[in-house]
Amino acid sequence: GAGVSQSPSNKVTEKGKDVELRCDPISGHTALYWYRQSLGQGLEFLIYFQGNSAPDKSGLPSDRFSAERTGGSVSTLTIQRTQQEDSAVYLCASSSPEDPPYEQYFGPGTRLTVT
Amino acid sequence: KQEVTQIPAALSVPEGENLVLNCSFTDSAIYNLQWFRQDPGKGLTSLLLIQSSQREQTSGRLNASLDKSSGRSTLYIAASQPGDSATYLCAVGGGSEKLVFGKGTKLTVNP
Repeated sequence: GAGVSQSPSNKVTEKGKDVELRCDPISGHTALYWYRQSLGQGLEFLIYFQGNSAPDKSGLPSDRFSAERTGGSVSTLTIQRTQQEDSAVYLCASSSPEDPPYEQYFGPGTRLTVT
Repeated sequence: KQEVTQIPAALSVPEGENLVLNCSFTDSAIYNLQWFRQDPGKGLTSLLLIQSSQREQTSGRLNASLDKSSGRSTLYIAASQPGDSATYLCAVGGGSEKLVFGKGTKLTVNP
């Protein structure tokens, strides 16, 4: 079946602009995660959604970052007033409690460049 | 706070060698451990998932082991090929919650 998809694949924006990144998880997966991979850094957790529960926002680096998940499926990560340090690859993943439980499947990522 | 360390950071081997990548984690209370492969400019491909109750998993030329009590996992690659060149990432999970990643091992297999 279809894997996790993300759009756009690349985004170049000017400092101070807002950007929206989209993630389509695997159909039926109840958990959705956003991570960030900066140049030379490891993968950093940002936020995760599980079903109808309140999201875990503990990894969001500042209040300029927010995310929504509509209808338990598609998610949008919004970065307001972008800064150069926001330049990174943003990865989305989804998982299911079904067998194998909570194996995370990743999308191809969105490469964000803030100029 | 869970921390994951991968050694070595980079490894270069001739084609055909067997090799071992190491991963250690500080909190043994994990639900599962995943090994991923990342090619330059690409996303993550899941290679192997080991549940906390398991000791090892195998897929083709790959074998991953888990020693939860000592906080260690190894990824064994048999008969390495140039196509195995990539960055290998280890990540530990707490069930439905986030994965905590190591910084990866960059593997180069020379023809």
